Amino acid sequence: AQSVSQHNHHVILSEAASLELGCNYSYGGTVNLFWYVQYPGQHLQLLLKYFSGDPLVKGIKGFEAEFIKSKFSFNLRKPSVQWSDTAEYFCAVNRYKLSGNTGKLIFGQGTTLQVKP
Amino acid sequence: AAGVIQSPRHLIKEKRETATLKCYPIPRHDTVYWYQQGPGQDPQFLISFYEKMQSDKGSIPDRFSAQQFSDYHSELNMSSLELGDSALYFCASKSLAGGNEQYFGPGTRLTVT
Repeated sequence: AQSVSQHNHHVILSEAASLELGCNYSYGGTVNLFWYVQYPGQHLQLLLKYFSGDPLVKGIKGFEAEFIKSKFSFNLRKPSVQWSDTAEYFCAVNRYKLSGNTGKLIFGQGTTLQVKP
Repeated sequence: AAGVIQSPRHLIKEKRETATLKCYPIPRHDTVYWYQQGPGQDPQFLISFYEKMQSDKGSIPDRFSAQQFSDYHSELNMSSLELGDSALYFCASKSLAGGNEQYFGPGTRLTVT
């Protein structure tokens, strides 16, 4: 079973529309949460991260995400998307186990966002 | 700012051949991770090293091996290549002292024919 689940596999929006991409994980305990973006033909780039503290985190390019511990969720949002936001978006989790934390990331299936000009 | 360097960027091999992928982490980063991303798939963790010792192991086939050298660069060795090994292989690095954020390299696209 997928331990990190992204609900939307393919999202199509028009420019200026609002975006929300869902991410849920199934681990208890302490986790670090990340959203990465992968533009066509490029490598993964970090959009934002949550380690602790304020559950509403702001990242680059106007993206933000909210960590809701009770829902095991870390949804990504952007108020107004641009054509240049067309990319693949991955949610990733790093979990702390009793044996420690090696830092490996477990990724969701990814969401392809297509923004129409 | 220096980034993670991977070489080669593209590699074409035939079935049953061997391949070696290289990763040069950001200077002063002591931890390296390898991920495999198949076509249309999410990245899957393969293996990681901290201070030249294997720190974690994921779904890495026995045909693959990896190591981290004294200069912290890492190599992923793949033998008896299969068609299913065709994928994008990412390396990421981080500094334990710098927090838990991994920086990804551009990847090596391996095509097995």
